Amino acid sequence: SQTIHQWPATLVQPVGSPLSLECTVEGTSNPNLYWYRQAAGRGLQLLFYSVGIGQISSEVPQNLSASRPQDRQFILSSKKLLLSDSGFYLCAWSAWESFNTGELFFGEGSRLTVL
Amino acid sequence: GENVEQHPSTLSVQEGDSAVIKCTYSDSASNYFPWYKQELGKRPQLIIDIRSNVGEKKDQRIAVTLNKTAKHFSLHITETQPEDSAVYFCAASDGGTSYGKLTFGQGTILTVHP
Repeated sequence: SQTIHQWPATLVQPVGSPLSLECTVEGTSNPNLYWYRQAAGRGLQLLFYSVGIGQISSEVPQNLSASRPQDRQFILSSKKLLLSDSGFYLCAWSAWESFNTGELFFGEGSRLTVL
Repeated sequence: GENVEQHPSTLSVQEGDSAVIKCTYSDSASNYFPWYKQELGKRPQLIIDIRSNVGEKKDQRIAVTLNKTAKHFSLHITETQPEDSAVYFCAASDGGTSYGKLTFGQGTILTVHP
């Protein structure tokens, strides 16, 4: 069966420090991968998505970047964190193209607090 | 791009009552409408979805209706139980290669009182 792992689960970082959140998927090939952010009391905002290695699309301009160095690995990064980067970050995957039912499978989430 | 509005933002019901959450969307090309449930501090999980070729779908106590002409869809929970308490999100996408590029509503905090 497919599983998705995301870490770290919680992170407290000072303003201006770098960030790296990692996500890996097991049990499937060629997944579509996504990073969503959820601000406190708000909905989920799509930040990045990827349909393949090295293919990253950004949905909103921001202080963050994403990379997909391997088929089932997705990394969210920042060189210098801002206070506004605080939030709950969720990695997600969906099946590739014709296998895709539309369902998104989310990781456990990473709660980032920038002080 | 797509815009999804969700109402109400909070909903409080007594156990056994019904709960209805409504969403509207802006992009007429959207054809896939899932609903996710998120318990406190946990990941969102799909509870039901509907595609544009269907007007209603039911799964036990949960049902979703879709009106493509009016561009709105609703979640109905009957015989609510305390374990139904959570945040519920509606979402929309235009399917195809955009599957997973979901635009979410702002969420509804449902509280079911015993």
